[in-house]
Formats: sequence, structure tokens, C-alpha cells
Amino acid sequence: AQSVAQPEDQVNVAEGNPLTVKCTYSVSGNPYLFWYVQYPNRGLQFLLKYITGDNLVKGSYGFEAEFNKSQTSFHLKKPSALVSDSALYFCAVSPPRGGYNKLIFGAGTRLAVHP
Amino acid sequence: GAVVSQHPSWVICKSGTSVKIECRSLDFQATTMFWYRQFPKQSLMLMATSNEGSKATYEQGVEKDKFLINHASLTLSTLTVTSAHPEDSSFYICSAGTSGRADYSDTQYFGPGTRLTVL
Repeated sequence: AQSVAQPEDQVNVAEGNPLTVKCTYSVSGNPYLFWYVQYPNRGLQFLLKYITGDNLVKGSYGFEAEFNKSQTSFHLKKPSALVSDSALYFCAVSPPRGGYNKLIFGAGTRLAVHP
Repeated sequence: GAVVSQHPSWVICKSGTSVKIECRSLDFQATTMFWYRQFPKQSLMLMATSNEGSKATYEQGVEKDKFLINHASLTLSTLTVTSAHPEDSSFYICSAGTSGRADYSDTQYFGPGTRLTVL
């Protein structure tokens, strides 16, 4: 079965420190990979995606993610966290079967950035 | 760019009534729209996929007669929860995807969500 794992329910980081939110996936073929962020009582905001090319992709608000094919991982990173980055982060993959038309979401990781 | 709106943002209704939620893509034509349901502190569950002008494709376990989806135009999809019951209370989120703009392609853009409470 196809799945996305976000092993940490919550990540705590001090403001100014680097942050990493982990994501691994189990999907056959070469899926598209996404990160979204959700603020309370809001929909999801697109942060970045990997389709092909450079393994390090840069996205909105200073976030970046590194694709590692051998480890089937797509970890989200930011060099210096802000308190305003505190939110719920979802990793999602779009499998090639079905024409990349669906998203499979991880369970989400809550990021808490402390002043 | 890539703005998706939903209306209403929240709704409270009595058990047995029907509720319609609208999802609009504001600055692009959405060839495909998706409807998700999110329970508290949980991830998103895909309910159905709709393409403009055709019938929606429902995920396994989702009652198509209860959750009516209409994708009448390239900018509007509606979800109608028929004969709503308290167990239908949830956060409903739509998303839109397009093949018409290269800079938006291969990505789903999400609306702000609608919180439905059925009394």
C-alpha cells in the first residue's frame, strides 16, 4: 500500500535555530513530492514541490526540502526558524499511477518555534 | 496567484437539512477539483475528485448520494451534504488543480476550508 510517514507528531525548535521536519514515503515509481502548511482553522498553503531535477528545492518563506531517492525521503528544512513558522506541516506525494492526479498525505507534524 | 476560495467559511445547521459548500478558483481555470474532509488533529481524507463537466469520482467508503458534487464550470465546484447528521460535522476543504498554466501545473491549491457543525 502506498503511504507517507511523518515520524514526529511535534517538533520543538528555538527561534533562530535550524529546523527539520521529516518525511518518508512508500510509493512505487517516481512520485511528485509536496509540502504544505496549515494554520489553525485554515486550509493548506503550498510551500514547495519536487518533480525532477536538483534534489534541493527551495520554496516559500525560506523553506527548502531535500529529496533523497535512495532513502525515499523528502525532509523539510529551514536554516533559521521564526515564531511565525509555528503551524501544522503536511508532506504529500502524488503517485504516477493515475497520472499524478491524487495526493496522499502524511499525518502531519506540528512545528512549535519558541522565542 | 493560485487562489482558491470557499464559501461559507463556517455553517451550523439542523440535523436533516442539506448544506451546500462552494469552491472557486479565482485566478485560474481548475480542470480538476478535489474535496477533502479533515477531522480534528488528523490528516486530510480525500472524498472525491471532479473534472469539469463530468461526474465526480468518489473514494471508497464515501456515499455519493450523501455528498453530492457538481463541477459545473472551470472555476466552480460545489459539495452538497444532503440530510446532514451530527456525524457529518467536520472541516471540509477543497483544492483545485490545472493543466492550463505551466507555473501552476502538477500542484493542488487549497481553499481555506469550511467548518460544518450539524446540531
